[in-house]
Amino acid sequence: DAGITQSPRYKITETGRQVTLMCHQTWSHSYMFWYRQDLGHGLRLIYYSAAADITDKGEVPDGYVVSRSKTENFPLTLESATRSQTSVYFCASSEEESGGNTIYFGEGSWLTVV
Amino acid sequence: GQNIDQPTEMTATEGAIVQINCTYQTSGFNGLFWYQQHAGEAPTFLSYNVLDGLEEKGRFSSFLSRSKGYSYLLLKELQMKDSASYLCAVMDSNYQLIWGAGTKLIIKP
Repeated sequence: DAGITQSPRYKITETGRQVTLMCHQTWSHSYMFWYRQDLGHGLRLIYYSAAADITDKGEVPDGYVVSRSKTENFPLTLESATRSQTSVYFCASSEEESGGNTIYFGEGSWLTVV
Repeated sequence: GQNIDQPTEMTATEGAIVQINCTYQTSGFNGLFWYQQHAGEAPTFLSYNVLDGLEEKGRFSSFLSRSKGYSYLLLKELQMKDSASYLCAVMDSNYQLIWGAGTKLIIKP
């Protein structure tokens, strides 16, 4: 049961570089999400996707791009990394949007922008 | 705006009981979740409440009062492994999850 996996787990990059965080789930869940988690803040939604080829902005989308060409993959790209994007990034998935459906998280990707 | 409030940190003793509170103000309500997150790990699901009352799951219970915009997570017979952050999240009318900043629970022997 592979579940939901993220790569890389740890990344250090330089300001201005493009970085892509990968997310893969094996459950065929319809919904996928990208969150960032920073000290003192709750999880903040960056982007989400209801199905392949359907994506939508969350609370903090600026500076990020997503795509979902296949149901199981949901990569997150930082087009030109900034120090403020240093964070822990969690990918997540759920079966449906309706209440009560548990969101399952990947292990997280720790990104440092120097 | 939408807001979830939880205490930043709590300390309790092994074997004791602790209650972690969560108050919320959101645009609509479609349920409240509690997640546990150990340091350096992903959040994992603990409980879901959509109706008022108490839901019990082993040593963990979660309570909801929709009229008061209030929930609590009750942890009994605390164990050292319960040291973690506990995240409260509310699903709003658009089925978006609004997350609290989490409560760090420290268990002392």
